[in-house]
Amino acid sequence: DQQVKQNSPSLSVQEGRISILNCDYTNSMFDYFLWYKKYPAEGPTFLISISSIKDKNEDGRFTVFLNKSAKHLSLHIVPSQPGDSAVYFCAASPFLAGTYKYIFGTGTRLKVLA
Amino acid sequence: EAQVTQNPRYLITVTGKKLTVTCSQNMNHEYMSWYRQDPGLGLRQIYYSMNVEVTDKGDVPEGYKVSRKEKRNFPLILESPSPNQTSLYFCASSLGGPPFYEQYFGPGTRLTVT
Repeated sequence: DQQVKQNSPSLSVQEGRISILNCDYTNSMFDYFLWYKKYPAEGPTFLISISSIKDKNEDGRFTVFLNKSAKHLSLHIVPSQPGDSAVYFCAASPFLAGTYKYIFGTGTRLKVLA
Repeated sequence: EAQVTQNPRYLITVTGKKLTVTCSQNMNHEYMSWYRQDPGLGLRQIYYSMNVEVTDKGDVPEGYKVSRKEKRNFPLILESPSPNQTSLYFCASSLGGPPFYEQYFGPGTRLTVT
């Protein structure tokens, strides 16, 4: 039972355009969401996070949007750069329920074309 | 340099032969965790530890053991490995548990069980 779903395994975008990566979740107990980026042969690195009390968080070229009623979050990258080509994982945590685990999605491979 | 180290990086073993993958961090982090990454399944949390002597199950703990006797170390033990534990394993650490604290991941350990 996949509680965090990334339905697009891959995405290709032209350099300079916007990349939109999507993530859906099923557990209404999730109250903290994160995005990680992963290059081949490396561990994931943290990108950006959002608490369930917010609907948007920005950090430079990266913006995460949260729609709690739809149980959906998205990561926008503007403008996209070739160095953004990587696998992106969304993750969620139900920490307010007293459990400090993380549930990750299956990942979306982003390719930014020069 | 602040880092999470894992050893070994690559391991091929046979079914039933006990093994330990070590994880160490030099950032005085309280929260440590183990994940496995499999194609089509993304990252799945195996165990996590909020502090010394405090560990809890993630989503896929079966077949694994952990211990946290010192703050810096969090070894992953496979008492009787089976082929379905062939995977890419990542250790991660953060200053605290969710929310607010980003996890730092190690470089990964590729395990093959024949």
